[in-house]
Amino acid sequence: KAGVTQTPRYLIKTRGQQVTLSCSPISGHRSVSWYQQTPGQGLQFLFEYFSETQRNKGNFPGRFSGRQFSNSRSEMNVSTLELGDSALYLCASALGGWRDTQYFGPGTRLTVL
Amino acid sequence: ELKVEQNPLFLSMQEGKNYTIYCNYSTTSDRLYWYRQDPGKSLESLFVLLSNGAVKQEGRLMASLDTKARLSTLHITAAVHDLSATYFCAVGETSGSRLTFGEGTQLTVNP
Repeated sequence: KAGVTQTPRYLIKTRGQQVTLSCSPISGHRSVSWYQQTPGQGLQFLFEYFSETQRNKGNFPGRFSGRQFSNSRSEMNVSTLELGDSALYLCASALGGWRDTQYFGPGTRLTVL
Repeated sequence: ELKVEQNPLFLSMQEGKNYTIYCNYSTTSDRLYWYRQDPGKSLESLFVLLSNGAVKQEGRLMASLDTKARLSTLHITAAVHDLSATYFCAVGETSGSRLTFGEGTQLTVNP
């Protein structure tokens, strides 16, 4: 069974730009969650999508948004990038939601210059 | 708001020794996960603990859960170099419908 895939794996952007990251969950998984990982703040929950609906959102500004498509693939978008947005962005898929084991993708390393 | 604290945050140990990583959390929860992360890699699920007194073992790692004390432990027996990684506990936050992660414990096993 194929695992969670994320594209791109690495990105370099400049302040003020916007970026879109993509996540393809494990086949049959309908829940996709996004996390930001930084050395200072650790792993922080961004949001969760299930069947194309955002079910939960973490404490991040509105510049961070996401969506999920009918095939469960998900994208997250960050607009007006700031230096502090540099991080590893991890996507996790689960069968039904947060109560099920989350399987993580390899992550997208975003660097904002 | 659920708080999850791990200790120690850094652990350097010799091969063959035993040690325990602790995970404390601040509010009631009905599930706790342990994950492993190798440098530059993603998180790998190790254990899920669903009830008070639950114990899971895989190789040299054993995890347990005490929901009354709001404490989970990850015990390492006779450490080997391959266990060097960062270990995270994650607690299910019922009210928030999400997982909250601890800060992670960076384990280094020296020959």
